[in-house]
Amino acid sequence: LAKTTQPISMDSYEGQEVNITCSHNNIATNDYITWYQQFPSQGPRFIIQGYKTKVTNEVASLFIPADRKSSTLSLPRVSLSDTAVYYCLVGDQAGTALIFGKGTTLSVSS
Amino acid sequence: ETGVTQTPRHLVMGMTNKKSLKCEQHLGHNAMYWYKQSAKKPLELMFVYSLEERVENNSVPSRFSPECPNSSHLFLHLHTLQPEDSALYLCASSPGQGTENEQFFGPGTRLTVL
Repeated sequence: LAKTTQPISMDSYEGQEVNITCSHNNIATNDYITWYQQFPSQGPRFIIQGYKTKVTNEVASLFIPADRKSSTLSLPRVSLSDTAVYYCLVGDQAGTALIFGKGTTLSVSS
Repeated sequence: ETGVTQTPRHLVMGMTNKKSLKCEQHLGHNAMYWYKQSAKKPLELMFVYSLEERVENNSVPSRFSPECPNSSHLFLHLHTLQPEDSALYLCASSPGQGTENEQFFGPGTRLTVL
């Protein structure tokens, strides 16, 4: 199973860009990299997914270098409502389910 | 109603009780999941069903018993639980079983075992 490592917590202010980096040194060839967001007492919500290079959607960008051993979630101009836990996940080799780590707790202040 | 729904949202039970958690998805997905999230711990995958067949069981104690009667419904039957089983139980579904599929989570059931 590919293990991920990400910072336990990050602090930011409203309007700033936030970059959360995740390490996944043992990522397998067929694994995708996926990020989820979770608010307290709610289920996680999908943010973005990628395999290589850069992916952008309406809420975030995902940067993946050529070796795929890390990835960076970029949140542009965060607001107070972006305060949440962010999980970086890679698929396991069997392709059955995602393994959630401890995530990064992002705190956005005004 | 759309998305993934879970009932009840909150449940308090004694160690000798038998109860069931229900999950329903209205997305036409083929895979469904049960997760457990204890306080300040990562989500733990408990069970995976694909096309109504269990495909993964992560060494979950037998006091938790899943049931998937069809692709839209998933149950978690609980009996003789322990206080350490108190947690947020989350149900999720995805179009297919592969990890490239986005998982859609329900709001969860907050379980307290006395």
